[in-house]
Amino acid sequence: GAGVSQSPSNKVTEKGKDVELRCDPISGHTALYWYRQSLGQGLEFLIYFQGNSAPDKSGLPSDRFSAERTGGSVSTLTIQRTQQEDSAVYLCASSPLGGKADTQYFGPGTRLTVL
Amino acid sequence: KQEVTQIPAALSVPEGENLVLNCSFTDSAIYNLQWFRQDPGKGLTSLLLIQSSQREQTSGRLNASLDKSSGRSTLYIAASQPGDSATYLCAVRESGSRLTFGEGTQLTVNP
Repeated sequence: GAGVSQSPSNKVTEKGKDVELRCDPISGHTALYWYRQSLGQGLEFLIYFQGNSAPDKSGLPSDRFSAERTGGSVSTLTIQRTQQEDSAVYLCASSPLGGKADTQYFGPGTRLTVL
Repeated sequence: KQEVTQIPAALSVPEGENLVLNCSFTDSAIYNLQWFRQDPGKGLTSLLLIQSSQREQTSGRLNASLDKSSGRSTLYIAASQPGDSATYLCAVRESGSRLTFGEGTQLTVNP
């Protein structure tokens, strides 16, 4: 079946603009995760959605970052007033149940460049 | 705070060689450890997941071991091939939802 998909694959924006990144998880997966991969920073957790529970937002770096997941499926990560340090690859993952034994399946990522 | 370290940062080997990638973590209270592969411009592909109660997992030419008490894992790749060239990441799962990743080992297998 189809894997995790993300759009756009690349996004170039100007400093101060808002951007929206989209993630379509694997059908039926209840858990969805966002990570950020920056040069020299490695992969960092941003936010986690599990079913109808309140999301774990503990990894969001600032209040300019927000995410929502509509209907328990598609998720959108929004970055307001982008800064150059927001430039990174944003990766989305989903897992069947969100349990600790679950494997997370990753999408190809969105490469964001803030000029 | 959990910290995950991978050594070496980069490795270049001739085709056919057996090799070992190392991962260490500072807090042994983990639920599982996972090895991923990342190809340039692509997402992550899960290779092996070892639960905290397990000592090793095998898939084809790959074998991953876990010594939770000492905070170490190794990924053994047998008879390496040029197609194995990629960045290999290890990640640990603690309580809660997040994975904590190492910075990866960039592997190049030369024909």
